[in-house]
Amino acid sequence: GESVGLHLPTLSVQEGDNSIINCAYSNSASDYFIWYKQESGKGPQFIIDIRSNMDKRQGQRVTVLLNKTVKHLSLQIAATQPGDSAVYFCAENIGYGQNFVFGPGTRLSVLP
Amino acid sequence: EPEVTQTPSHQVTQMGQEVILRCVPISNHLYFYWYRQILGQKVEFLVSFYNNEISEKSEIFDDQFSVERPDGSNFTLKIRSTKLEDSAMYFCASRNGRIGNTIYFGEGSWLTVV
Repeated sequence: GESVGLHLPTLSVQEGDNSIINCAYSNSASDYFIWYKQESGKGPQFIIDIRSNMDKRQGQRVTVLLNKTVKHLSLQIAATQPGDSAVYFCAENIGYGQNFVFGPGTRLSVLP
Repeated sequence: EPEVTQTPSHQVTQMGQEVILRCVPISNHLYFYWYRQILGQKVEFLVSFYNNEISEKSEIFDDQFSVERPDGSNFTLKIRSTKLEDSAMYFCASRNGRIGNTIYFGEGSWLTVV
């Protein structure tokens, strides 16, 4: 079946550097994507979303890029902080009202 | 800020016992979900609920599982006869449905079946 996957299962970055977390999706019908942050023992926390009619969206210190040609999604975190250490999941939504399919997650570790 | 709340935060139960996990979705939301996450694995969809009925369910959501919205605020997941492999974190989520498509998750209920 269709699935969402991640290129890198773990990512370590120095505090203050920028982080880039990648996600590949295989369902060309997906039209809405969300990045979630999950800290240990907690539920997924919404970070940023993007619709398929956009290729870039910016939030506070985060940017999501969508490349529909290669079915690729990325999350950029500027000036990574220790509090950014978590597992990051991308999730895709095929159509309004449908459930979200999650990728396997990338663990981000911020080094002092 | 409104949030999805779940109880209990952690439950240990014996294999074969029934378990009910409870959720209070965000009050003006119309769509409700249960997801689960086995330790160290990705978040998996179980079931979605809209207009007092199941709108979609996954292969995981077999006859041992059921959901209910007994009143205007609660949304429950029942596992009729728990198995060891049901041990996981169970997340409730909700979505407005009128504005935006984002689903918001609760903090989860950690179920341990022994």
